[in-house]
Amino acid sequence: EAGVTQFPSHSVIEKGQTVTLRCDPISGHDNLYWYRRVMGKEIKFLLHFVKESKQDESGMPNNRFLAERTGGTYSTLKVQPAELEDSGVYFCASSFFGTGTDTQYFGPGTRLTVL
Amino acid sequence: RKEVEQDPGPFNVPEGATVAFNCTYSNSASQSFFWYRQDCRKEPKLLMSVYSSGNEDGRFTAQLNRASQYISLLIRDSKLSDSATYLCAVKDTNAGKSTFGDGTTLTVKP
Repeated sequence: EAGVTQFPSHSVIEKGQTVTLRCDPISGHDNLYWYRRVMGKEIKFLLHFVKESKQDESGMPNNRFLAERTGGTYSTLKVQPAELEDSGVYFCASSFFGTGTDTQYFGPGTRLTVL
Repeated sequence: RKEVEQDPGPFNVPEGATVAFNCTYSNSASQSFFWYRQDCRKEPKLLMSVYSSGNEDGRFTAQLNRASQYISLLIRDSKLSDSATYLCAVKDTNAGKSTFGDGTTLTVKP
């Protein structure tokens, strides 16, 4: 079974540019999460989709970040315009919540550098 | 105060040593607890879920103390391959976001 995949693996952009990150969850996983790790800090939650609906977007830092999950499959996270403090590793995770605990499987992350 | 706090580390131990990590959480209503392992420049990978009764997987034992709001991870007979960062994570609901600690770095030396 394929795991969570993310694209691109690395992105280097200049301040003010736009970047779009993509996440493909494990097939059949309704829950999709975005997290971010800024250097020297802990992994922080950004938002949570259940299928195509935003369940919780309390972690989104500001309106420069836009996440979508059309059709309830893959998700994109757009940063526009990018700022220096947006640099970090963006992780996507997915899970299938059946009758037990919601185990989240993480993708390899996208390392974003804003110059 | 952070929602999830871990031993700052780093831990440097010889092969064969026993090492324990602790993690405290602030929300007494938290529902689910996990230990993840993260290798350098890789994604977090689930090591163990932590249950109230405690659970063991080979050399790894996880325990939860709800009264004191902490979870622990014990690694026995450390191997070189155990070198990694160990992350504690807590969920307030069974389906929802995870809140992570900063992580504790373990280096096992020959």
